[in-house]
Amino acid sequence: GIQVEQSPPDLILQEGANSTLRCNFSDSVNNLQWFHQNPWGQLINLFYIPSGTKQNGRLSATTVATERYSLLYISSSQTTDSGVYFCAVEQETSGSRLTFGEGTQLTVNP
Amino acid sequence: NAGVMQNPRHLVRRRGQEARLRCSPMKGHSHVYWYRQLPEEGLKFMVYLQKENIIDESGMPKERFSAEFPKEGPSILRIQQVVRGDSAAYFCASSPPSPYRAKNIQYFGAGTRLSVL
Repeated sequence: GIQVEQSPPDLILQEGANSTLRCNFSDSVNNLQWFHQNPWGQLINLFYIPSGTKQNGRLSATTVATERYSLLYISSSQTTDSGVYFCAVEQETSGSRLTFGEGTQLTVNP
Repeated sequence: NAGVMQNPRHLVRRRGQEARLRCSPMKGHSHVYWYRQLPEEGLKFMVYLQKENIIDESGMPKERFSAEFPKEGPSILRIQQVVRGDSAAYFCASSPPSPYRAKNIQYFGAGTRLSVL
């Protein structure tokens, strides 16, 4: 099956800093979603982005499908951004299920 | 995420008991997915269902686990004779029906945390 690798596994920032999270995948995909799992365990949809660039407030994402990677940018980070960020992909040949990466654990200190 | 309802949020069972997890998809969604998250790990696909049909159960353990999505009512993930290794967070997601699935965006519920004593 498809492999999804996220980096870095852990990231510690001071409030106000910017960061870039990366997601590499090993095969063509129909769907790519970024999620934020907050400290209470809830999984929040951030972006649906199989290709191109999108922005939502302080967050933006870019997927380069031909090179099989996606980037999530967080600008002016806040303590509420803490949690785990997951990338998940739907492989073209695997039906509708999402394959998740192992996540990036982000800690934003005040 | 609003709209995918899972209950209970927390479930405690003793070894050997049965666990029933419920998921009501977003209004208008007819596709349901179950995922499991073991401690300190990412989510792993278990099963994909449409109304009254199991489409893909390739991620389900072969024994003790079953899932259904009846014509009426929520989707149910059932775990019989639970063991400590079943302790995990179980997430349900839903997505819209065809022909609106050009964007197969999955929306997740808040999860059920199962603890097996």
